[in-house]
Amino acid sequence: QVRLQQWGAGLLKPSETLSLTCAVYGGSFSGHYWSWIRQPPGKGLEWIGEINHRGSTNYSPSLKSRVTISGDTSKNQFSLKLSSVTAADTAVYYCAGDYQYWGQGTLVTVSS
Amino acid sequence: DIQMTQSPSSLSASVGDRVTITCRASQSISSDLNWYQQKPGKAPKLLMYAASSLQSGVPSRFRGSGSGTDFTLTISSLQPEDFATYYCQQSYSTLRTFGGGTKVEIK
Repeated sequence: QVRLQQWGAGLLKPSETLSLTCAVYGGSFSGHYWSWIRQPPGKGLEWIGEINHRGSTNYSPSLKSRVTISGDTSKNQFSLKLSSVTAADTAVYYCAGDYQYWGQGTLVTVSS
Repeated sequence: DIQMTQSPSSLSASVGDRVTITCRASQSISSDLNWYQQKPGKAPKLLMYAASSLQSGVPSRFRGSGSGTDFTLTISSLQPEDFATYYCQQSYSTLRTFGGGTKVEIK
């Protein structure tokens, strides 16, 4: 059974870079889509972007200028970086595999 | 971008009721639509993919239908564990957008 475990800093100051990593256990990194989704407090889901096993990425147009998703097949991990964060980036961030397997979520708060 | 619009945004229903949630795409997405269930403090759970295919382990009281721009998720007989928020998501475009969500509450 595939399991995703994610980690990263939970408290950032404005203008810093958000960095989260998601490890894939019990399955292969190859042949799947690996995604990041976020959810501001009390609001709906927002798709951030995804990477496939070939390293090809797609990003939400609204975040594209600040987002980088990368993968490390040797470690079965993929990562999210979001630069120049503001309070509007405060959310629970989820990693997902084929939208079928989900990480536990990480609350990231941006506050001075 | 393809916009996904869900209705209603919330509804109240009783155990045993039949519940229908609608999702409309701003352009045709064929049958490339997923449905998710999310409970408070938990990650979303994939219920349905390709508009009408039930994800493994999901009860058969959940049914998805539609193609093109109009889709529905129907719960045939609402159970206590079904009170949650439901989201649709299109997978037609490489920019995968979610609907705004429908919260199903206890009447």
